[in-house]
Amino acid sequence: TQLLEQSPQFLSIQEGENLTVYCNSSSVFSSLQWYRQEPGEGPVLLVTVVTGGEVKKLKRLTFQFGDARKDSSLHITAAQPGDTGLYLCAGLSSGTYKYIFGTGTRLKVLA
Amino acid sequence: NAGVTQTPKFQVLKTGQSMTLQCAQDMNHEYMSWYRQDPGMGLRLIHYSVGAGITDQGEVPNGYNVSRSTTEDFPLRLLSAAPSQTSVYFCASSSPERGHYGYTFGSGTRLTVV
Repeated sequence: TQLLEQSPQFLSIQEGENLTVYCNSSSVFSSLQWYRQEPGEGPVLLVTVVTGGEVKKLKRLTFQFGDARKDSSLHITAAQPGDTGLYLCAGLSSGTYKYIFGTGTRLKVLA
Repeated sequence: NAGVTQTPKFQVLKTGQSMTLQCAQDMNHEYMSWYRQDPGMGLRLIHYSVGAGITDQGEVPNGYNVSRSTTEDFPLRLLSAAPSQTSVYFCASSSPERGHYGYTFGSGTRLTVV
């Protein structure tokens, strides 16, 4: 069974601080996505990374796919209360249509 | 364009009852999946479909059935509800063109089995 481990599980920081969330696996993925989920809603796609070593930026969010396509990181610069939510990574297994989700990182940004 | 629509939003069942969670999408997506979300466990794949008439099992399929008679609809059936099936259920869809680009999710069905 493929697993995606996310760390940390919980993170509470002050507005303006920087943070990094990690998503790790022993398996190789053909692509990896990051989602944000707010209470009572389904996850919303933030970004997809496909190539090993790829870096994508979305305003204050920077996403990186590991060279071996087994891990990824999400870095938020100058966090804001609006960044509060559950962050989920999801990997697409090579040769399948299955998206496997990580355990999630719950972020709270205090004003 | 409604996206992915799930009904009902909330449901309480007694142990042993059966029910169907509905999921419909209007984006002509070929891929559809059902996930359950439990505290501390992220989203776990129950069943998925790559097109009408084609379904396959995910990580936690026991106690659930699916069918895909049309591109638009992908209902999830609980055959005999158990307390362990208390969870939030999400339906999601994607397309081959979006294959690398992730799913569009519904807003979920919160199910409690007593």
